[in-house]
Amino acid sequence: GQSLEQPSEVTAVEGAIVQINCTYQTSGFYGLSWYQQHDGGAPTFLSYNALDGLEETGRFSSFLSRSDSYGYLLLQELQMKDSASYFCAVSGGGADGLTFGKGTHLIIQP
Amino acid sequence: EAGVAQSPRYKIIEKRQSVAFWCNPISGHATLYWYQQILGQGPKLLIQFQNNGVVDDSQLPKDRFSAERLKGVDSTLKIQPAKLEDSAVYLCASSLGVGSSTDTQYFGPGTRLTVL
Repeated sequence: GQSLEQPSEVTAVEGAIVQINCTYQTSGFYGLSWYQQHDGGAPTFLSYNALDGLEETGRFSSFLSRSDSYGYLLLQELQMKDSASYFCAVSGGGADGLTFGKGTHLIIQP
Repeated sequence: EAGVAQSPRYKIIEKRQSVAFWCNPISGHATLYWYQQILGQGPKLLIQFQNNGVVDDSQLPKDRFSAERLKGVDSTLKIQPAKLEDSAVYLCASSLGVGSSTDTQYFGPGTRLTVL
């Protein structure tokens, strides 16, 4: 089976940097993905890590350590529109369907 | 390009009734997924199609849920009969490739089902 752990809620200030951690236990592992979901909206893809290290895409970066079964999403220069839920998800096993964590609700304060 | 389309957006039914959801993936996408997202949780994969064949339906409650993807394009997900615990958002997603775990999944807006 597969399971993921991430904080349920994180609060940060506009303009600051925030890190959302994710640890996972899987029977098979291809990579770790991050999705953003605004209230009432669809999940949208942010990043994917298959190998150890840091991937940077604009204000968002994602890190993976396969040996530690750990990854994080780093959001810089926070904006109010970044208030959303962030999900880590693993792909592994024989098919490509994702197993999602329960999500981290990010609250941005002015 | 047009995104993943789903209908209806909202549905309210009573327990033991039947309901069906429809999904039209992004044109050319070979793989289609149905996820169930209960309030406060992450999406849970129900079934994955590759073209018109089932790749993974290990988490689909087959006694009441069924899905098909005729002609490898549109898909329908049916619940018969519905239970209170089926209240959730049903998300459809599609990806371009055939069996690559690096393919990005694109999600539709979902159908919010309320079972009374």
